[in-house]
Amino acid sequence: DTAVSQTPKYLVTQMGNDKSIKCEQNLGHDTMYWYKQDSKKFLKIMFSYNNKELIINETVPNRFSPKSPDKAHLNLHINSLELGDSAVYFCASSRLIGVNTGELFFGEGSRLTVL
Amino acid sequence: EDQVTQSPEALRLQEGESSSLNCSYTVSGLRGLFWYRQDPGKGPEFLFTLYSAGEEKEKERLKATLTKKESFLHITAPKPEDSATYLCAVQGYTNAGKSTFGDGTTLTVKP
Repeated sequence: DTAVSQTPKYLVTQMGNDKSIKCEQNLGHDTMYWYKQDSKKFLKIMFSYNNKELIINETVPNRFSPKSPDKAHLNLHINSLELGDSAVYFCASSRLIGVNTGELFFGEGSRLTVL
Repeated sequence: EDQVTQSPEALRLQEGESSSLNCSYTVSGLRGLFWYRQDPGKGPEFLFTLYSAGEEKEKERLKATLTKKESFLHITAPKPEDSATYLCAVQGYTNAGKSTFGDGTTLTVKP
């Protein structure tokens, strides 16, 4: 029943490792996003996909690579993890049409801790 | 570049003590201003969209208002279950599809 689900909820890993986070939405939305929330609760957009096509790519290290196999899924792969990558990563989705693109539906977040 | 500043950073209220949260914004052509609620360990939950100055939206004890420079989230007679972090975000026409968030206001309501 969950609208936007992401896994895993927690990741603890060593520096230099590679990890992936998966996201799925069953709302029928066309647009999906990855946001990063740091320890001060600040939410910053990383990527946005519309129907499998990358439309927003903020200034993010190329160690971060999103992949969208279909419009209901958006995964995030992170290579060579660094301490500064520790954060909560949120997947979100929205409708495409009109200003409703701002009405985001978020997953519960994936807390990444890099040791 | 779009900017959002929320104040105060934290607010502690007694149950029943009404107050307001502020969201000041700078955006080139406001497409929409959005309020979210975030509980600890959860993702933000959408509350309201405001499109133009003078608009108001209400939901239970919450009422959001909008001017050309800021938005207020008024909380009337809050209850402990209203405790959460409230986030404000804007989208401008020049950055369609990209929401810029503020740092949030953490509200604690004591019984």
